[in-house]
Amino acid sequence: DARVTQTPRHKVTEMGQEVTMRCQPILGHNTVFWYRQTMMQGLELLAYFRNRAPLDDSGMPKDRFSAEMPDATLATLKIQPSEPRDSAVYFCASGLLGTEYEKLFFGSGTQLSVL
Amino acid sequence: AQTVTQSQPEMSVQEAETVTLSCTYDTSESNYYLFWYKQPPSRQMILVIRQEAYKQQNATENRFSVNFQKAAKSFSLKISDSQLGDTAMYFCAFTGGSEKLVFGKGTKLTVNP
Repeated sequence: DARVTQTPRHKVTEMGQEVTMRCQPILGHNTVFWYRQTMMQGLELLAYFRNRAPLDDSGMPKDRFSAEMPDATLATLKIQPSEPRDSAVYFCASGLLGTEYEKLFFGSGTQLSVL
Repeated sequence: AQTVTQSQPEMSVQEAETVTLSCTYDTSESNYYLFWYKQPPSRQMILVIRQEAYKQQNATENRFSVNFQKAAKSFSLKISDSQLGDTAMYFCAFTGGSEKLVFGKGTKLTVNP
């Protein structure tokens, strides 16, 4: 079965360090999302790409977060410098949006703990 | 802006019984998709069921079915013959065609033996 692959699954880091999360979307999908999940806020959309072009990153703190899609097989989310309030589960999802096959498939998430 | 509201933060049901989770949404789109996702303690987000707004027939997937009321902008999920493995967070989500997927806050469902 095709699936979205996220690495690492867990990450513990100290405040101020750079964190990079990676996502391999399902081949052929045209849209990639980054979500953050916390108990208080639920699922928040951070950024998303259509055909590798960034469409909306209004959910991201611009001064410390950046999202890129260097090629069709890789999406990255970076936090620099990280802060304790960034502790959350970060999900990547991909899908074939804008078609009759519209649905999203999620990766297993990266659980980030910033100490 | 599209919004999705799940008014039941927590629910519980006895094994083998039926439970209905509520979801309402707000949109000006005429063509869109609605989803229910399940998130068990493993945290994996699993697609449960999907409904196209242009289809009047309610979607069903085995024990899971929806009651889609387009005029009322309501999209509830019915779980029949509840099983212990159905214990999870359930998220209702909306996408207006090529727009981003918006999630509700979720309903925590506990199935009791």
